[in-house]
Amino acid sequence: DVQLVESGGGLVQPGGSLRLSCAATGFTFSTYSMNWVRQAPGKGLEWVSYISDRGGSTKYADSVKGRFTISRDNAKNSLYLQMNSLRNEDTAVYYCARDRWVAPIDPFDSWGQGTLVTVSS
Amino acid sequence: DIVMTQSPDSLAVSLGERATINCKSSQSVLYTSNNKNHLAWYQQKPGQPPRLLIHWASTRESGVPDRFSGSGSGTDFTLTISSLQAEDVAVYYCQQYYNDPRTFGQGTRVELK
Repeated sequence: DVQLVESGGGLVQPGGSLRLSCAATGFTFSTYSMNWVRQAPGKGLEWVSYISDRGGSTKYADSVKGRFTISRDNAKNSLYLQMNSLRNEDTAVYYCARDRWVAPIDPFDSWGQGTLVTVSS
Repeated sequence: DIVMTQSPDSLAVSLGERATINCKSSQSVLYTSNNKNHLAWYQQKPGQPPRLLIHWASTRESGVPDRFSGSGSGTDFTLTISSLQAEDVAVYYCQQYYNDPRTFGQGTRVELK
């Protein structure tokens, strides 16, 4: 079974940094593009970032561009999100999500349970 | 960015009755090269991550009950639950994967009447 397990969330002050991780099992991680999607408390879903299967291509939402960096380690079956210069509005549950196929733009067919990031002084 | 707008924001349906959720995109999500609508539907139950129900606007994912169906083309889409069950209480989101950024509708909450 596909399993995605996020970790690394927590409380951080505005301007601070946090690194999220997502451990993948149950599938050949190195052949799938991956994403981070977030959900502010009581709100809807917002795609945050994408990385291709080998890590050669990355994309970001305008709201996080220049502050967040997505990366992956296929040898460790892990996905990461380095978040710098955090703002109150970055407060959300962050999900890692797998692309459904190998097309350039796909829906997300597997999701982790999420990790909560709270940005507050 | 493509803006996805769902209606209604919430609806209350009796057990066994039909639920209909609409989704409108600000531009067409029909790719002429493959003649497919790049539109997905997700279900999110309280305290859980979203679950992909439907892709290509009308293709159910494996394991999704056939009471869920998707329809529409271009800019207007519908998710129908033909006979609502208690376990279908959730928030439903449409999403376009026509271009980046992949955007979601604001969600529609389905409750029991």
